[in-house]
Amino acid sequence: EAEVAQSPRYKITEKSQAVAFWCDPISGHATLYWYRQILGQGPELLVQFQDESVVDDSQLPKDRFSAERLKGVDSTLKIQPAELGDSAMYLCASSLRLYNEQFFGPGTRLTVL
Amino acid sequence: EDKVVQSPLSLVVHEGDTVTLNCSYEVTNFRSLLWYKQEKKAPTFLFMLTSSGIEKKSGRLSSILDKKELFSILNITATQTGDSAIYLCALIQGAQKLVFGQGTRLTINP
Repeated sequence: EAEVAQSPRYKITEKSQAVAFWCDPISGHATLYWYRQILGQGPELLVQFQDESVVDDSQLPKDRFSAERLKGVDSTLKIQPAELGDSAMYLCASSLRLYNEQFFGPGTRLTVL
Repeated sequence: EDKVVQSPLSLVVHEGDTVTLNCSYEVTNFRSLLWYKQEKKAPTFLFMLTSSGIEKKSGRLSSILDKKELFSILNITATQTGDSAIYLCALIQGAQKLVFGQGTRLTINP
């Protein structure tokens, strides 16, 4: 069964360091999302791609976060520099097209010390 | 401001009980409402509801949407310990932005 892949699964870093997460969506899915989930809360959208274009990045802290999906397939999310408050689960999701259900990857759990 | 509110936030029941989880919302440009189950990792998709009054069913789980009163319920009958999880309600709004509620933590005791 096709799945969204993410790596790494866990990342521990010190504050002020740079971190990067990778996501490979389900093959053929045009829309890709990055979410951040803080413990005890629902996921919050950071950025949404339609193919290689950013559709919504209104909640992305652009002073330290960046995201790209250069060829419209896999995507990377980067944080530089990491802060203590960035500790969270970072979830990637994809959907076949607009208004379809989104399927989530296993997530990357980030701990910033 | 778009809002998705789930209740209760936490629920503890015994195996075999029936539970009803609630999701109410205030969202502009409503498209669809989704339910997800989240155990120790990423949310897994349960249902997508677009039309009012049509029940979606999968085994012991069922869900229905009321677009007039702006809420949805998720029912689980004959609960099992494997149903213990966080249940998330989310709205597809506008250009497919997904807005999540805070989740209901369900615990099923044997």
